[in-house]
Parts: sequence; structure tokens; C-alpha cells
Amino acid sequence: AQKVTQAQTEISVVEKEDVTLDCVYETRDTTYYLFWYKQPPSGELVFLIRRNSFDEQNEISGRYSWNFQKSTSSFNFTITASQVVDSAVYFCALKSNTGKLIFGQGTTLQVKP
Amino acid sequence: DSGVTQTPKHLITATGQRVTLRCSPRSGDLSVYWYQQSLDQGLQFLIQYYNGEERAKGNILERFSAQQFPDLHSELNLSSLELGDSALYFCASSEAPTSSYEQYFGPGTRLTVT
Repeated sequence: AQKVTQAQTEISVVEKEDVTLDCVYETRDTTYYLFWYKQPPSGELVFLIRRNSFDEQNEISGRYSWNFQKSTSSFNFTITASQVVDSAVYFCALKSNTGKLIFGQGTTLQVKP
Repeated sequence: DSGVTQTPKHLITATGQRVTLRCSPRSGDLSVYWYQQSLDQGLQFLIQYYNGEERAKGNILERFSAQQFPDLHSELNLSSLELGDSALYFCASSEAPTSSYEQYFGPGTRLTVT
């Protein structure tokens, strides 16, 4: 079975702190794709990043970075120098061969000023 | 703005009623997905269409149905509504159903069943 686990339900940090959101996945597929989405208070789902299973290179985009480790089936997301605007629910997702996304339960990040 | 549009934004209706949610995919995208987000179930995949044909089904109730039209817009029909159907319904689109393509989500339709 395919599954995504985000063990952290809620995280609260103070602005400028670094924060890492954990994601662990399960799949028997040899090729798969992992995603992170952000859901701000306004409700829409915003695509952040896609990672292929055959590319374990870490990625950095501004204050955001992602650490993909196939050996531990993890795809963690770090926000450096967090800002109040980063407050949102963040979802990790696994894409099956049929194309559907399997989402984790989400991590609510609150960044306090 | 993802380029995916959904109407209406909010919908309030009574139990037993039927509603239709509409989605227009991003220009050029042939694949449409429907997801339901509720407090107890989280984000769950309902159904997927590709170029007018049903491609995959998730935990979609028999009271729910969907279709994708020749102009590629899609509609999700929810009937015999129950209180538990209250949720945020998202439509997403991608170029093709193969796994390499990311899905872009619409703003969602918030359905409240009273």
C-alpha cells in the first residue's frame, strides 16, 4: 500500500527560526514522484516542488530546501529564516502510477512575529 | 493563480439535495482530478479524467459522479447530500496523467450541507 506520513501535526516557531517539516512515505513502486504543497489560510493549494525517485539531489529555492533520502523513505522540507507569511498547512504527497496524489495529513506551521 | 478555475466558491445546501461543482483546467491540460478535503479524512482523491475518459477512481461514493466534457471542463455531481459531505472540494489539472506531471489546484469549492 502507498502511504504518506507527516508525524508533526503542528509546529510553532518564532520568526527567523529555521524549521524542518518531516515526511515519510511508503511505496513499492520503483519509480515514483514526491511533492510538497502549501495551503495558506486562504485555502488554495500551492505547488512547491516535485522530486523524482531517481534523483536524490537536494534542492534549494530561496529560503526553501528539500532533503530527499531514498534509504529512509523521507522527503523533508526546511524553511530557513522563517517569516510570518510562511504560516500555512504544508502537505507532502506521493504520486501513484495512475496519477492520483496520496497526501499526508499535513503539518500546520505557525510562525509568530 | 494556478490557472485552474472552480465555481462556485461557496455552496450551502440542505441534506438530500443535489449540487454540481464545476472546474475548468489550465489551458493545455488534458487531465482533471477531483479531491475532497475534510477535517476527519484529510485530502482524498475522488476521481480522475483524461481527455474525456475516466482514468482512475478513488474512494468516491456512489452518490457522487463526475464527467469531463469535450471542452475539457469537468463537473462533479453530488446527490442525496448528507451532513458528512460538507468539505472543501478541489479540482486539479495536469498535462497528462503520467506521474511526472505536477498537478495544479483550483481554489476549491467549500460545500456546507445543513
